[in-house]
Amino acid sequence: AQSVTQPDIHITVSEGASLELRCNYSYGATPYLFWYVQSPGQGLQLLLKYFSGDTLVQGIKGFEAEFKRSQSSFNLRKPSVHWSDAAEYFCAVGAEAGGTSYGKLTFGQGTILTVHP
Amino acid sequence: DVKVTQSSRYLVKRTGEKVFLECVQDMDHENMFWYRQDPGLGLRLIYFSYDVKMKEKGDIPEGYSVSREKKERFSLILESASTNQTSMYLCASSSELRLYEQYFGPGTRLTVT
Repeated sequence: AQSVTQPDIHITVSEGASLELRCNYSYGATPYLFWYVQSPGQGLQLLLKYFSGDTLVQGIKGFEAEFKRSQSSFNLRKPSVHWSDAAEYFCAVGAEAGGTSYGKLTFGQGTILTVHP
Repeated sequence: DVKVTQSSRYLVKRTGEKVFLECVQDMDHENMFWYRQDPGLGLRLIYFSYDVKMKEKGDIPEGYSVSREKKERFSLILESASTNQTSMYLCASSSELRLYEQYFGPGTRLTVT
């Protein structure tokens, strides 16, 4: 069964500093990978996605993520964090068509990002 | 602007009550989903639906049922609410071609006392 681990429950950074949120997945084949963000009191919003091809993907709000098959990782990065980036971030994996878990998006536990001025 | 709306932001129910959570999307999406969100556990899929009157069990369907009589509406039903169903419930929808690119509602925080 597919699974996702986000090792960091809570991360604090200063505004303007760089950010990296870690995500490790477990899936037998090539995964579909996603990062979602949940601002306080809001639903989740898709930040970026990886299906295939270039392993460095760009998303909205200046975020990017890199797929590393050898490390089973899909870490989220941003070069300079803004106070409005404070939110909870979720990594997720989806199975490719034909798999037994197709249609199910499995989420990690989430990482809460706090930004200090 | 695309929208997924949920009938209530906050709901308080008593143990044993039948509870209905409603979700409506205006994007003509084929797929709809119900998740529950608990601290430290992330989101867990309860049920999803690929089409009207179709449903598939997610990872934690026990104690829940769903109904999808119209394409835009997906209801989550707690037949007999229990305290361990106190949680945040999130509804989402996606198109047939972009199954995993899901649009989420704001959530319903359900408290069962």
